[in-house]
Amino acid sequence: SQTIHQWPATLVQPVGSPLSLECTVEGTSNPNLYWYRQAAGRGLQLLFYSVGIGQISSEVPQNLSASRPQDRQFILSSKKLLLSDSGFYLCAWSVRRGIQETQYFGPGTRLLVL
Amino acid sequence: AQSVTQPDIHITVSEGASLELRCNYSYGATPYLFWYVQSPGQGLQLLLKYFSGDTLVQGIKGFEAEFKRSQSSFNLRKPSVHWSDAAEYFCAVGFTGGGNKLTFGTGTQLKVEL
Repeated sequence: SQTIHQWPATLVQPVGSPLSLECTVEGTSNPNLYWYRQAAGRGLQLLFYSVGIGQISSEVPQNLSASRPQDRQFILSSKKLLLSDSGFYLCAWSVRRGIQETQYFGPGTRLLVL
Repeated sequence: AQSVTQPDIHITVSEGASLELRCNYSYGATPYLFWYVQSPGQGLQLLLKYFSGDTLVQGIKGFEAEFKRSQSSFNLRKPSVHWSDAAEYFCAVGFTGGGNKLTFGTGTQLKVEL
């Protein structure tokens, strides 16, 4: 069966510091991968998605970037964190079918920028 | 642009009572629809999904949802709520040709009174 891991689970970082959040998927090949941010009292906002190694699409302009160095690894980064980057970050994967894909979510990383 | 509305931010029901969570969407194309549940500090778990066919779909944990095209709705129901159902529920919508991107509602927080 497939599993998705995210780490760290919780992170407290000062403003201006760098960020690296990691997501890995096991038990599947060539997945589509997604990064979402969930702010308090709001729904999920899609930040990035990837259909393959090195292929990243950005959904919103922001202080963050994403990379996919391996098939089942997705990394969310920032060079300098802002207060507004605080939130709950969720990684998701789907089996690449082209249409009507179901997304499955990881446990999330809670980021607090102080 | 597509949108998803969950009109109830908070709902409180008594244990054993029936439950209906509302979800309305605005799309120009044929949608596919999901309900996810999120416990505090956790990722999202898929409850059920609708792609095509029978408009009444069954999910895990005794939940069901009905797709009503004429009302642009996909309401989630459960005949008898358990205390463990207390969580936040998210409706999500995608559409064929939308690049497998989902749009999420802002969520409904369910509280269960014993």
